[in-house]
Amino acid sequence: AQSVTQPDIHITVSEGASLELRCNYSYGATPYLFWYVQSPGQGLQLLLKYFSGDTLVQGIKGFEAEFKRSQSSFNLRKPSVHWSDAAEYFCAVGLRGTASKLTFGTGTRLQVTL
Amino acid sequence: EPEVTQTPSHQVTQMGQEVILRCVPISNHLYFYWYRQILGQKVEFLVSFYNNEISEKSEIFDDQFSVERPDGSNFTLKIRSTKLEDSAMYFCASRLVDTQYFGPGTRLTVL
Repeated sequence: AQSVTQPDIHITVSEGASLELRCNYSYGATPYLFWYVQSPGQGLQLLLKYFSGDTLVQGIKGFEAEFKRSQSSFNLRKPSVHWSDAAEYFCAVGLRGTASKLTFGTGTRLQVTL
Repeated sequence: EPEVTQTPSHQVTQMGQEVILRCVPISNHLYFYWYRQILGQKVEFLVSFYNNEISEKSEIFDDQFSVERPDGSNFTLKIRSTKLEDSAMYFCASRLVDTQYFGPGTRLTVL
C-alpha cells in the first residue's frame, strides 16, 4: 500500500530564512504528487503538484518542489519565508488516472519567528 | 475562481443522532470525495464518488456512512448514528482531471 512520510512534525524558522520541508513516499510507480497548505481553521489549499516532465515545479506563494525519483522524495522549498507562511503543510500522493484517493502525510507544522 | 463550498462550518450533535454534511463541488467536476481529519491527526480518505456511484471507500466508511448526489449540485455525507469518535473535520473535494480541490471543511463535534 502506498504511504507518505513527512519526518518533521514541527519546524521553526526565522522570517527571511530559507525553508525545506521533506516528503518521502512509498509507491509501486511514480504517483501524482501534491503539496497542500492548511492555515489555522481553514481548509486545504493546493500549493503545487507534479505529474510528469520537469522535476522542479513552481507553485503559489513563491513555493517550489523538486521530485527526485531515486530518493522517492518530493521536498517543498521556499527561499525566503514570510510570517504569513506559518501553517501546516501536507504532502499527498495519488494514483495516476482513475478516481483515485489521495494519501496524505502526517503534516509538518511551520512556525515563523520574527 | 470557482471553489468547493461546505455547510455547515460547524455541527454539534448528540451521540446516536444522524447528521448530514453538505458540499457543493465545483460545477464541471466529475469526481467527488470525502475525507476526514481527527484533531491532531492526518487527513484520511473516506470515499470517492463518480458517475453516481461509489468508486472506492476506506475501512472507515462502514454502514453508518452514506453519500448521495441528490441533484446536479450537492454532494452529501450522512452519518446515521454518530459516535464520539466521529468527531473530526470533514473535507469535501472535487476533481475534473487530476487535481482535487478541497472545501473549507465542516467541524463535527459529537457529544
